[in-house]
Amino acid sequence: DQQVKQNSPSLSVQEGRISILNCDYTNSMFDYFLWYKKYPAEGPTFLISISSIKDKNEDGRFTVFLNKSAKHLSLHIVPSQPGDSAVYFCAASLGNFNKFYFGSGTKLNVKP
Amino acid sequence: DTAVSQTPKYLVTQMGNDKSIKCEQNLGHDTMYWYKQDSKKFLKIMFSYNNKELIINETVPNRFSPKSPDKAHLNLHINSLELGDSAVYFCASSQSGASTDTQYFGPGTRLTVL
Repeated sequence: DQQVKQNSPSLSVQEGRISILNCDYTNSMFDYFLWYKKYPAEGPTFLISISSIKDKNEDGRFTVFLNKSAKHLSLHIVPSQPGDSAVYFCAASLGNFNKFYFGSGTKLNVKP
Repeated sequence: DTAVSQTPKYLVTQMGNDKSIKCEQNLGHDTMYWYKQDSKKFLKIMFSYNNKELIINETVPNRFSPKSPDKAHLNLHINSLELGDSAVYFCASSQSGASTDTQYFGPGTRLTVL
């Protein structure tokens, strides 16, 4: 019973175009959401986050959108760069003691 | 100067053995975690410690025992290893354990049980 799901295991995008990574969750009590990026043989690194009181958060080329009614989260990367090629995990928390529920990741490949 | 380090990086062992994975963070954080990444690639929290005190203890078999000698270290000891324990184990730390704190992850330990 995974509460956070990333239904696309992989995504391939041309350099310079937009990458859209999607994430769905089931628990309406989640109040904080994050995206992590992971390169091979490394641990995940924090990318961007959003509180449930917002519907959008932007940081440079990265924007996270939250649609609470649809229980859907997305990460937009514009423009995509080859260095963005990695596995992206979304995660959600219930606001208690920093316990996060992670999705299974989407592997992004940005082609030069 | 690695922020969160884990040893060993790879661990291959036989069923029934006991093994430990060590984790150290030099970020001065109060909270540390262990996650397991299973075969379906989900990252699942196992344990978290805040200032050496156990905070989160998920439904993990009691063959798994975390030990925090000080707030910079959180080791994971596994008794009587089983095939299903094969996974990548990640250690992480965060400043205070608040839900808005960023977690910093180690590089992972790939455990293979034969």
